Amino acid sequence: NAGVTQTPKFQVLKTGQSMTLQCAQDMNHNSMYWYRQDPGMGLRLIYYSASEGTTDKGEVPNGYNVSRLNKREFSLRLESAAPSQTSVYFCASIKDRAGLWTQYFGPGTRLLVL
Amino acid sequence: AQSVTQPDIHITVSEGASLELRCNYSYGATPYLFWYVQSPGQGLQLLLKYFSGDTLVQGIKGFEAEFKRSQSSFNLRKPSVHWSDAAEYFCAVGAEGSQGNLIFGKGTKLSVKP
Repeated sequence: NAGVTQTPKFQVLKTGQSMTLQCAQDMNHNSMYWYRQDPGMGLRLIYYSASEGTTDKGEVPNGYNVSRLNKREFSLRLESAAPSQTSVYFCASIKDRAGLWTQYFGPGTRLLVL
Repeated sequence: AQSVTQPDIHITVSEGASLELRCNYSYGATPYLFWYVQSPGQGLQLLLKYFSGDTLVQGIKGFEAEFKRSQSSFNLRKPSVHWSDAAEYFCAVGAEGSQGNLIFGKGTKLSVKP
């Protein structure tokens, strides 16, 4: 049981390049989330998926797209990377027991956009 | 607007001393409250959570937190800090029926003096 996994761990992009961050969970969780973490800003929600086949915008969705490929996988795509997207990206999924839910996080992807 | 405030950006305590990290929230619904810890270069690990019931909750690594509704606070405490507790601590709030969305504070960085 690996929990929440993310690939890659680290990536360097040039401005304008595209890439997809991958996230997978093996805990049979319904809901999955993408956050970005910037110094002094805490974590901010980019997109989330409450269930397979649905996605919704969070606080900072501009410049990103997501795909909930199946129940296990939730990917985040940067179509045209910008230096402002340099950040650490975390994926999370929710364990929900009768409405009492808890988010569990992956190890993160560090992205540098030059 | 919903928000979480961690008033202290950086705290330094001596090893063996007690610790209290402050968290205040503004949330219209009945809150679910969480504390996460992040060691350098790592993901977020859940320390403890509060849904309802006893307002003093125990977590991992000897941490506890107390929910005070009248003060809209959920402060984290530890009676005796260890050098390995040096990390960044995040308070977060969510609510029943919120589709699992969390609002995070900006974090408090804890340094431990030998």
